[in-house]
Amino acid sequence: EDQVTQSPEALRLQEGESSSLNCSYTVSGLRGLFWYRQDPGKGPEFLFTLYSAGEEKEKERLKATLTKKESFLHITAPKPEDSATYLCAVQGIRYEKLTFGTGTRLTIIP
Amino acid sequence: ETGVTQSPTHLIKTRGQQVTLRCSSQSGHNTVSWYQQALGQGPQFIFQYYREEENGRGNFPPRFSGLQFPNYSSELNVNALELDDSALYLCASSLDRGWTEAFFGQGTRLTVV
Repeated sequence: EDQVTQSPEALRLQEGESSSLNCSYTVSGLRGLFWYRQDPGKGPEFLFTLYSAGEEKEKERLKATLTKKESFLHITAPKPEDSATYLCAVQGIRYEKLTFGTGTRLTIIP
Repeated sequence: ETGVTQSPTHLIKTRGQQVTLRCSSQSGHNTVSWYQQALGQGPQFIFQYYREEENGRGNFPPRFSGLQFPNYSSELNVNALELDDSALYLCASSLDRGWTEAFFGQGTRLTVV
């Protein structure tokens, strides 16, 4: 059974204070690892797909990296508008489904 | 904006009733998946439809059923509602089955009282 564990559950940062979110996973035959951003009461917004260990992707203040066991979402000099829940998901052999973690709730304090 | 639209946005139902939720997939996408997200949890896979056929199902009872139409829009039906069915229901569309990126709608918030 595919599993995803995200840590920490919640993170409060001062504006401009960089940090990293962790996503540990076990999956049969990784097809892709995904990061989504979710605002309260809204659907997840797609951020990145990573396909193989060593891959990195960047978008504005966010950078996602992937190893064989975990992924990190690095946030550089965050702003209050980066406050959201960040979800990690994997797609394995059962390609029709995504298995999600419970998310990290990020709060950026001005 | 992903182009995936869901209706209604909010719904209140009584235990034992039936509910139908609707989803229009992004233009050009032939695959629709449904997820249930309880408060404080990650989305849980319910099932996927590809070209009007069910293409995989998660650990949900048969009272959760679905349809996909020729235009690739989709419905999620839940019979005999239980209090634990209260959740945000998310629809995601993707270009094709097995295509990795899935794009989500804004969700339908279902409350069962």
